[in-house]
Amino acid sequence: GQQLNQSPQSMFIQEGEDVSMNCTSSSIFNTWLWYKQDPGEGPVLLIALYKAGELTSNGRLTAQFGITRKDSFLNISASIPSDVGIYFCAGRGNTDKLIFGTGTRLQVFP
Amino acid sequence: NAGVTQTPKFRILKIGQSMTLQCAQDMNHNYMYWYRQDPGMGLKLIYYSVGAGITDKGEVPNGYNVSRSTTEDFPLRLELAAPSQTSVYFCASSLPPRTRYTEAFFGQGTRLTVV
Repeated sequence: GQQLNQSPQSMFIQEGEDVSMNCTSSSIFNTWLWYKQDPGEGPVLLIALYKAGELTSNGRLTAQFGITRKDSFLNISASIPSDVGIYFCAGRGNTDKLIFGTGTRLQVFP
Repeated sequence: NAGVTQTPKFRILKIGQSMTLQCAQDMNHNYMYWYRQDPGMGLKLIYYSVGAGITDKGEVPNGYNVSRSTTEDFPLRLELAAPSQTSVYFCASSLPPRTRYTEAFFGQGTRLTVV
């Protein structure tokens, strides 16, 4: 079945630093989604990608749909304390299932 | 606009008891999903539905059942609760994958403890 590997598992950075995380799939995906989850809450959509090579920004966040369609990247520039949380990638291939990555736990220190 | 609503928010079950987790969406989405999230882990797909009357298994369906009699509702049933089903359960909905905006929207979750 489809598998998503997300890395890194966790990151501890200082406020103001840039952050990069990525997801790789064992099969081709047609959609990549990036979510953020705060403690005790459901995941909230950050960025949606629908086309190979697509680069999309949402404020300080930028995500890219890999050319091979088997990977995606999320960058956060100039991190701030409220960026703390768990970031998940999710993707859909040729099935109707929406599969999630294992998450990247981000901690930002002032 | 309520989005995706899950009830209850919290529940404690004894081993062997059964319960139904409720999920309703008011966005007229065809697709609905149930996920479980164990502590410190990602989301695992339990069941999903592409429309009323159609359901299919996800990654971890054992111990659960679903039904989809209406577009709005997608309840998840636990028949014989086991400690391994202690988790946070999330319901989500989306438009079909072949449409432009197919991102999934999530409810607030149901925190279930089986003792």
